Amino acid sequence: EVQLVETGGDLIQPGGSLRLSCAASGFTVSRNYMSWVRQAPGKGLEWVSAIHSDGSTYYADSVKGRFTISRDNARNTLYLQMDSLRAEDTAVYYCETTVPQGNYWGQGTLVTVSS
Amino acid sequence: EVVLTQSPATLSLSPGERATLSCRATQSVGSFLAWFQQKPAQAPRLLIYDASNRATGIPARFRGSGSGTDFTLTISSLEPEDFAVYYCQQRGNWPPPFTFGPGTKVEIK
Repeated sequence: EVQLVETGGDLIQPGGSLRLSCAASGFTVSRNYMSWVRQAPGKGLEWVSAIHSDGSTYYADSVKGRFTISRDNARNTLYLQMDSLRAEDTAVYYCETTVPQGNYWGQGTLVTVSS
Repeated sequence: EVVLTQSPATLSLSPGERATLSCRATQSVGSFLAWFQQKPAQAPRLLIYDASNRATGIPARFRGSGSGTDFTLTISSLEPEDFAVYYCQQRGNWPPPFTFGPGTKVEIK
């Protein structure tokens, strides 16, 4: 069964750093395109970042230079390193992927940037 | 970057009625457009991919159509569980970002 479980969300001060994890099961992270999508409170979905199976990485302009997507093949886990956090980064962060079995999302993890 | 607009922002309908949601792109995305449904406190759920293909387990009352820059999601007869927010997402212009539209809320009239 395919499952994605995000962890790492927290209350963090502006300018701080946080690393989100997305533990995958039922498929191999390194063989799939995976992305992070966020949703600010009461707002719509915003595509944040993605990593291709070939290792190429992509970012939204709003996070470029501050966020880094990566994966750990041994742990079958996707990460999002978030630096220089701003109030506007406050959101629920989801990891998402499409595999032969279908499209899957995690339950989300809440990041709150506030002093 | 492709920008998606959705209309209307809110659709007020009764169960059993037909819902027609629109998504328009600022440049062609071919047929690489997806529709998602999101209910409160839940992750989005894929309904339609590649403009017109229903995802696994999605009822036949959901139909996607369109290509290029204009797309439509039609729900033929609204069930109580269909009242939710619907987002389109383009996946056609490589490389990413694969932007989302702002959403259409389908609410009970």
